[in-house]
Amino acid sequence: AQSVTQLDSQVPVFEEAPVELRCNYSSSVSVYLFWYVQYPNQGLQLLLKYLSGSTLVESINGFEAEFNKSQTSFHLRKPSVHISDTAEYFCAVSDRNFNKFYFGSGTKLNVKP
Amino acid sequence: DTGVSQDPRHKITKRGQNVTFRCDPISEHNRLYWYRQTLGQGPEFLTYFQNEAQLEKSRLLSDRFSAERPKGSFSTLEIQRTEQGDSAMYLCASTLPQREGDEQFFGPGTRLTVL
Repeated sequence: AQSVTQLDSQVPVFEEAPVELRCNYSSSVSVYLFWYVQYPNQGLQLLLKYLSGSTLVESINGFEAEFNKSQTSFHLRKPSVHISDTAEYFCAVSDRNFNKFYFGSGTKLNVKP
Repeated sequence: DTGVSQDPRHKITKRGQNVTFRCDPISEHNRLYWYRQTLGQGPEFLTYFQNEAQLEKSRLLSDRFSAERPKGSFSTLEIQRTEQGDSAMYLCASTLPQREGDEQFFGPGTRLTVL
């Protein structure tokens, strides 16, 4: 079985500051890793994913995440956040057959002007 | 809009009543998942279908819950004899797993309130 831990339930940050949202997972098998974002009053949307290859993956809006197998982490980072990044971010893992997806409890990113 | 639709978007019911939710996945997606999300938590896996076959059910899915996906298209989730603890957002997602992986596309959810 897999599990996901997002230690920070809320992260307040000022606009244009860097941010890191932490995600750690546990699994006895190889996994795929995902970050989903939920903007206010909207459904979950995929932000980025790690399947294989380069351990650093990027999204189209400037977020990046690095898969660290030894630390079982997949932290999400952005060097300079914008007000529009205010949302809840969920880290998720799945086995390589996509039989199940496990989600963390989410981190609310609140970007202040 | 991800292409996955759910109906209704909101449902208020009294304890003990039965409710049914519907999910219409993206048409070519053969996998369909149901999740439950309570306040302050991430989505919790309930069950998933590969075409019309229900392949796995979580222990969260008590005997009062049943899901179907006739003909491998839309899916329904029924909760019988609802309890206040069933109040949550019920999410549906669909995907077309490929060798190199694919994402899940989520619907907007059905928010259930049991009074």
